[in-house]
Amino acid sequence: KNEVEQSPQNLTAQEGEFITINCSYSVGISALHWLQQHPGGGIVSLFMLSSGKKKHGRLIATINIQEKHSSLHITASHPRDSAVYICAVHSGGGADGLTFGKGTHLIIQP
Amino acid sequence: NAGVTQTPKFRILKIGQSMTLQCTQDMNHNYMYWYRQDPGMGLKLIYYSVGAGITDKGEVPNGYNVSRSTTEDFPLRLELAAPSQTSVYFCASSYSFRDSEAFFGQGTRLTVV
Repeated sequence: KNEVEQSPQNLTAQEGEFITINCSYSVGISALHWLQQHPGGGIVSLFMLSSGKKKHGRLIATINIQEKHSSLHITASHPRDSAVYICAVHSGGGADGLTFGKGTHLIIQP
Repeated sequence: NAGVTQTPKFRILKIGQSMTLQCTQDMNHNYMYWYRQDPGMGLKLIYYSVGAGITDKGEVPNGYNVSRSTTEDFPLRLELAAPSQTSVYFCASSYSFRDSEAFFGQGTRLTVV
């Protein structure tokens, strides 16, 4: 069973700062997902990646398959980026869904 | 497209009552999932389905049942609700079981008292 660890668990930063959230997993995967969850809200997919790097607006996700590690970066952070960011992996063995990290609770202060 | 729609958004149940959480998707996805999210924990898989008429247990299936009579709908049934089932429930769907974006519903916050 894959173990997914995220760090930090909680992060408070000032508006404009560069943010990095890390995710490590224990077993080889077919894909890694970064998800965003706003307080009281649903979960939205930000990225799905299996190699390299993806960018969408101020968000950048990278993955190193050999090191079993991924990072999510937020450039020029804004209070509206405040949310829980969740890393999830698909281990590729079957159709039985994703294995999730516990999430990183991010607060961006104005 | 509405995506994945869950109802209700909130519900309070008494111990021993039953209820059905509804989930429907309009993306013609074969793969559908029910997860629960407990405070400080990662989401855990309750049941999943790879197509109409096919369901299977996930990591935490006890106390729940599902059915999949159509591609669109994947209801989750709670029988004899217990306080341990107090959680936030998410339905999700995807086109493929791997290498495919996951779409989530808005969640159902359930309290059993």
